[in-house]
Formats: sequence, structure tokens, C-alpha cells
Amino acid sequence: NAGVMQNPRHLVRRRGQEARLRCSPMKGHSHVYWYRQLPEEGLKFMVYLQKENIIDESGMPKERFSAEFPKEGPSILRIQQVVRGDSAAYFCASSPGAPNLNSPLHFGNGTRLTVT
Amino acid sequence: TQLLEQSPQFLSIQEGENLTVYCNSSSVFSSLQWYRQEPGEGPVLLVTVVTGGEVKKLKRLTFQFGDARKDSSLHITAAQPGDTGLYLCAGARGQNFVFGPGTRLSVLP
Repeated sequence: NAGVMQNPRHLVRRRGQEARLRCSPMKGHSHVYWYRQLPEEGLKFMVYLQKENIIDESGMPKERFSAEFPKEGPSILRIQQVVRGDSAAYFCASSPGAPNLNSPLHFGNGTRLTVT
Repeated sequence: TQLLEQSPQFLSIQEGENLTVYCNSSSVFSSLQWYRQEPGEGPVLLVTVVTGGEVKKLKRLTFQFGDARKDSSLHITAAQPGDTGLYLCAGARGQNFVFGPGTRLSVLP
């Protein structure tokens, strides 16, 4: 009974390169959330997606960041032309339905992005 | 500005002591959730509180939701080193969940 799977666990990129982070939700979950966490800080919401739709991207920078959740395959968070400030842990979470008490979040173990 | 505030930010105690951490907001939430996050891992849901004034117990952990549904507390009795971690509260807000900044707890043996 696999949980939320994120890969890679660690990703190192040079400034200017692209980073692609993948998230496979729990089986039966069609709602995916991406959060960013800096050391010693809490989770900052980035984007909320359902299959093939972006529902809320209010927390995602408008430049260089994009997210998708295709009909088939994992959700992808893409960061173009990375800068040192993008270094953080990026967590994906999934739920069976829209945000409410019956749809708690199940988190993956994150991708730690380091930009050199 | 944080929608959810948590205090204290850091807490270091000896094994066997009791402690309480707090989650506060100026907004009303229909429910609040508590998560624990260990180093190198994602947060794991501990409990969801729904009704104002509700108290839920999970072994040595007691969770309370304020009467006005704007705040919550987590009390740990006889803390153990295994309780060490980052404790996060979260509430559903519109189309997503918002998180507090967390309380980082360290329980020393």
C-alpha cells in the first residue's frame, strides 16, 4: 500500500539549470498539493492540482515555476533557470478530495533541492 | 503575516516532563489538524479537531480545539525522546491547507 512517492530525494543543480520534481499520489487520490519548506521553517503552500487542472496556484511564483498533473503519470513541479534562493525541501501531498476534515493530507518524504 | 501562529518556536525539555504547545489564529477554522514531522521526512497527521471545545486524546498526547475555533493546543504528558520533532498545525483555507510555522520540540534523555 504505497504512500505518496517523490523523486528524486535529493537533487543538485547549478544556477541556470532546470529542476523537475516528481510526485506520485497515493492510490485513489486525485488531489495533489506542493509545498516548499526552508530549514527551520514551516510549510509554504505553492500549488493545488487535480487531474489535468490547476485549482489554486496562488503560492507559486509566476516566473520560472510551473506545475502539472496529467491524466496519466505523476505530478511534476518544474523550476526553470534555478537560482540559489530556490534551494529548499519541496513536499508533495495528496488527498482523496477537496480540503476538508475528511480529506487530510498524506505527504511524501520530499525532494531536497540544492542549487550551487 | 502568518494566518496561523505557533508558540513556542523552540522547546527543549528533559524526558518525563510535560509540555504544551499552541496554535493561534485571528480567523475561524472549520477544523484544525496537527502533524508531526521528523528530520528528513514529510509531516504525518496526528489528529483532526472539528468541534469547538473538543478534546481528543492519543496516548500521551491531548489535543484541544478552542471554543471559538480560532486556536488549538497540544499537551504531551511524560515526554519521551521519540516525541522529538516539528509539530505543525494546519487549517483548510479556501482551496488549500495553510500551515503554521511549527514548534520544534527536543526531548533530551
